[in-house]
Amino acid sequence: QKEVEQDPGPLSVPEGAIVSLNCTYSNSAFQYFMWYRQYSRKGPELLMYTYSSGNKEDGRFTAQVDKSSKYISLFIRDSQPSDSATYLCAMSHFDTDKLIFGTGTRLQVFP
Amino acid sequence: DTGVSQDPRHKITKRGQNVTFRCDPISEHNRLYWYRQTLGQGPEFLTYFQNEAQLEKSRLLSDRFSAERPKGSFSTLEIQRTEQGDSAMYLCASSGSAGAKNIQYFGAGTRLSVL
Repeated sequence: QKEVEQDPGPLSVPEGAIVSLNCTYSNSAFQYFMWYRQYSRKGPELLMYTYSSGNKEDGRFTAQVDKSSKYISLFIRDSQPSDSATYLCAMSHFDTDKLIFGTGTRLQVFP
Repeated sequence: DTGVSQDPRHKITKRGQNVTFRCDPISEHNRLYWYRQTLGQGPEFLTYFQNEAQLEKSRLLSDRFSAERPKGSFSTLEIQRTEQGDSAMYLCASSGSAGAKNIQYFGAGTRLSVL
């Protein structure tokens, strides 16, 4: 079993929809949670960073962490075709620097 | 230039050849990471440096792989005797001080194709 599980999709939604992307994890020591966006043949771009549990909002993006359920989410409001990309969750714990990534969810937003 | 820079962007080589990739981190960042990403997968950690010291290496990093960061600035990743299974995107990331060490910023990657 992988430490971080993420549905690969693809997830196809119409423009303007609310998108929900999720990851589950098994290591209760994870404390830092990130979401990256990756366009085809490009490097991952940091979208959101959360420490421990709770919510964080940045424009159209909201990240949620539920450590009791070992579940994290990224919500995208008013989705745009330019949001079409692969979304990667990543996490780490306090005494290591390496990030553990999910496989990524491919999102397609059609006009 | 305010981002992580990687060179080359794409490398095509024949099996058995050696290849070397370069990464220039964000200038004030003292931590530098290498990851490998294959199609349909998330990046997998290979190794990381704090300044010039290599502090952790993954078991994915076989003895054909070597990474250096001689002066604590840019880093190189060398693969000797390449194999077709080495074909992947090699990503470099950097991060800053201890309070933000887990906030890693990635470069565009070097795509390696081994024929």
